Amino acid sequence: QKEVEQDPGPLSVPEGAIVSLNCTYSNSAFQYFMWYRQYSRKGPELLMYTYSSGNKEDGRFTAQVDKSSKYISLFIRDSQPSDSATYLCAMTALSGSARQLTFGSGTQLTVLP
Amino acid sequence: DAGITQSPRHKVTETGTPVTLRCHQTENHRYMYWYRQDPGHGLRLIHYSYGVKDTDKGEVSDGYSVSRSKTEDFLLTLESATSSQTSVYFCAISTDRVEQYFGPGTRLTVT
Repeated sequence: QKEVEQDPGPLSVPEGAIVSLNCTYSNSAFQYFMWYRQYSRKGPELLMYTYSSGNKEDGRFTAQVDKSSKYISLFIRDSQPSDSATYLCAMTALSGSARQLTFGSGTQLTVLP
Repeated sequence: DAGITQSPRHKVTETGTPVTLRCHQTENHRYMYWYRQDPGHGLRLIHYSYGVKDTDKGEVSDGYSVSRSKTEDFLLTLESATSSQTSVYFCAISTDRVEQYFGPGTRLTVT
């Protein structure tokens, strides 16, 4: 079993929809949780990260962490065709200065105009 | 791409040949990382560096070596390429903070 599980999709939604992307994890030592967006044939781009449990909002994006359930989510409001990409969750524990990130396999999202 | 360049961007090589990929940063960040990305596996860490000449292994380090002789450059070497090393390779950098920033990637095909 992988340490981080992410539904690969593909997920297709109409423009303006609310999108929910999720990851589950098994390692209770994870403390930092990140979401990356990756356009086709590009490098991953950091969207946002949260520390421990709670919510964080940045524009149309909201990240949620529920450590008791080992479950994290990324919500995209008013989705746009430009949001079409693969979304990767990543997480890391506190130990060590060089942060070894563990990634989910990514969810491919298409927002239809 | 956060002041990170990777070279070459594409490479096709034959099984058994050595291959070196280069990552160059202009951010003066302390930490540098090499990942590979394969369908169904996400990104997996190969090696990382926490300073000049300071490196350590990641999750999938077998068959790879790295070197960092300058802060700005991190080299990944496949000593004898195999078909299982066909992948997209990404370099990333970070400071002491948790965020990592990725380069544009190198597509490597081993025939």
